[in-house]
Amino acid sequence: SQTIHQWPATLVQPVGSPLSLECTVEGTSNPNLYWYRQAAGRGLQLLFYSVGIGQISSEVPQNLSASRPQDRQFILSSKKLLLSDSGFYLCAWSVRSGTNSPLHFGNGTRLTVT
Amino acid sequence: RKEVEQDPGPFNVPEGATVAFNCTYSNSASQSFFWYRQDCRKEPKLLMSVYSSGNEDGRFTAQLNRASQYISLLIRDSKLSDSATYLCVVIATWTEFYFGSGTKLNVKP
Repeated sequence: SQTIHQWPATLVQPVGSPLSLECTVEGTSNPNLYWYRQAAGRGLQLLFYSVGIGQISSEVPQNLSASRPQDRQFILSSKKLLLSDSGFYLCAWSVRSGTNSPLHFGNGTRLTVT
Repeated sequence: RKEVEQDPGPFNVPEGATVAFNCTYSNSASQSFFWYRQDCRKEPKLLMSVYSSGNEDGRFTAQLNRASQYISLLIRDSKLSDSATYLCVVIATWTEFYFGSGTKLNVKP
């Protein structure tokens, strides 16, 4: 069966510090991968998605970036965090073929920028 | 106009009640539909897919009305453990997942 791992679970970082969140998927090949952010009490905001190694699409302009160095690895990064980057970051995957595949989420990383 | 709209609630119901949520979508070309459940401070988890013919999973029934462009979720015999936020998801293409903002359900003893 497929599993998705995301770490760390919680993170407290000062403003201006770098960020690296990692996500890996097991049990499937060539998944679509996604990074979402959920601010407190708000809906899910798509940040990035990837259809393959090195292929990243950004949905919103911001000081975050994403990379996909391996087929089942997706990394979210920032060089300098802002207070507004605080939130719940969720990695997700879906089967690449067709539109009938739902998203499967990792456990999330709760980031607090102080 | 938002792609997907949901009543944020909260819906406060007693145990054993039947409760229904609707979710409207704007893109008539949308192809797939799902309901997710999100517990407080947790990730969304897939509850069920929504098929044109309607589908049932235990106490949960999901339906799709393409003509009126909405999906619904019916929960029968509500349990305390059903308390959560329910998100609808509409997929137009495999890169276009649209999430509703969620409907909060509180089941009271």
